[in-house]
Amino acid sequence: AQSVTQLGSHVSVSEGALVLLRCNYSSSVPPYLFWYVQYPNQGLQLLLKYTSAATLVKGINGFEAEFKKSETSFHLTKPSAHMSDAAEYFCAVTRTGTYKYIFGTGTRLKVLA
Amino acid sequence: ETGVTQTPRHLVMGMTNKKSLKCEQHLGHNAMYWYKQSAKKPLELMFVYSLEERVENNSVPSRFSPECPNSSHLFLHLHTLQPEDSALYLCASSQEAGTEAFFGQGTRLTVV
Repeated sequence: AQSVTQLGSHVSVSEGALVLLRCNYSSSVPPYLFWYVQYPNQGLQLLLKYTSAATLVKGINGFEAEFKKSETSFHLTKPSAHMSDAAEYFCAVTRTGTYKYIFGTGTRLKVLA
Repeated sequence: ETGVTQTPRHLVMGMTNKKSLKCEQHLGHNAMYWYKQSAKKPLELMFVYSLEERVENNSVPSRFSPECPNSSHLFLHLHTLQPEDSALYLCASSQEAGTEAFFGQGTRLTVV
């Protein structure tokens, strides 16, 4: 079975500060991992994905994530937060051959001026 | 139009009404999904269609009825809903199993 845990339902950072959103996964087979962002009353937009190629994945809007098998983690980072980054972020896991994507409960990012 | 389009964006319906949500994907994908997003709950997978065949049905009440007439269109027919069915309903598509899913803007449903 697969699962995803996002630590911290709310994270606040100052504008210009480092953003770190945590995601840990559980999977008995090689996972495919994703980060999505959701703005209010919008759908989910794909930020980046890991599908067993490079462990450091770069996404849109300056975000990146590193797959660490030993820590079963896929944390999302951005060096410098911008006001427009305020949104909810979801980590998701799946594997080859399945239509089931397991989503975390989300982390709401607040950016302080 | 590009991506995944959902209509309507907002819907208010009474418990005795019948309505339908529509989803259209312009990505040439083979799989389409319905998800329910309620406050303070993880996304709930409701239905999955692959090449117009239903491949997942996650114990969803029969008052929700999906329809996939072709690989580009997906409907969710609603009847005799309950107030707890109020939520954001998201449609998504993917090329195949295990690839990234692309989401529509969602339909905000309120049952009164």
